[in-house]
Amino acid sequence: DTEVTQTPKHLVMGMTNKKSLKCEQHMGHRAMYWYKQKAKKPPELMFVYSYEKLSINESVPSRFSPECPNSSLLNLHLHALQPEDSALYLCASSQEGGATYEQYFGPGTRLTVT
Amino acid sequence: AQSVTQLDSQVPVFEEAPVELRCNYSSSVSVYLFWYVQYPNQGLQLLLKYLSGSTLVESINGFEAEFNKSQTSFHLRKPSVHISDTAEYFCAVSDWGGGFKTIFGAGTRLFVKA
Repeated sequence: DTEVTQTPKHLVMGMTNKKSLKCEQHMGHRAMYWYKQKAKKPPELMFVYSYEKLSINESVPSRFSPECPNSSLLNLHLHALQPEDSALYLCASSQEGGATYEQYFGPGTRLTVT
Repeated sequence: AQSVTQLDSQVPVFEEAPVELRCNYSSSVSVYLFWYVQYPNQGLQLLLKYLSGSTLVESINGFEAEFNKSQTSFHLRKPSVHISDTAEYFCAVSDWGGGFKTIFGAGTRLFVKA
């Protein structure tokens, strides 16, 4: 199984809402990533977890809160978002964190903030 | 610091014609190079990668890329494209100095016309 799954596929939320994005992989990968992708742009790294510990936080605003409950799951908790946060949110995983490991991406969650 | 430049934002080409998508990188240390493809409304998929060894790497669907250290390039080529190759292609670079981070280029939109 080389699949990374993400739920939900689409999410519309108001600026006062609280919601969560979920990501799951069963490949035994020990590194997991959250990316934000705006239209016609490359993915921008937000967070990296390695062995369930937060390794990289790319100065992301605190209204985004990541969580890694176990080695297979990654969540992104959203609160008080702004319209400019509307984007495709991609989850990825790799066997280990490190330069030589390719990343496996999920299909993404299309987020619209109204 | 690493950086990746994809020289063409869009490449239109007729079906069965050859294509080259250009990628140049900069890094002060040894690099690892990747090409990812993103089909509409999907996540990214690894197309091919260069880690070491032979400078010519191939994918299962007919793409190839050549690592050229003197030119700091990793151009992607296919001798005959199909309509189904229409997608966004991202060149990416990582090195051990960057830790867990992979830097993506801006992307090239390949549009195959009938």
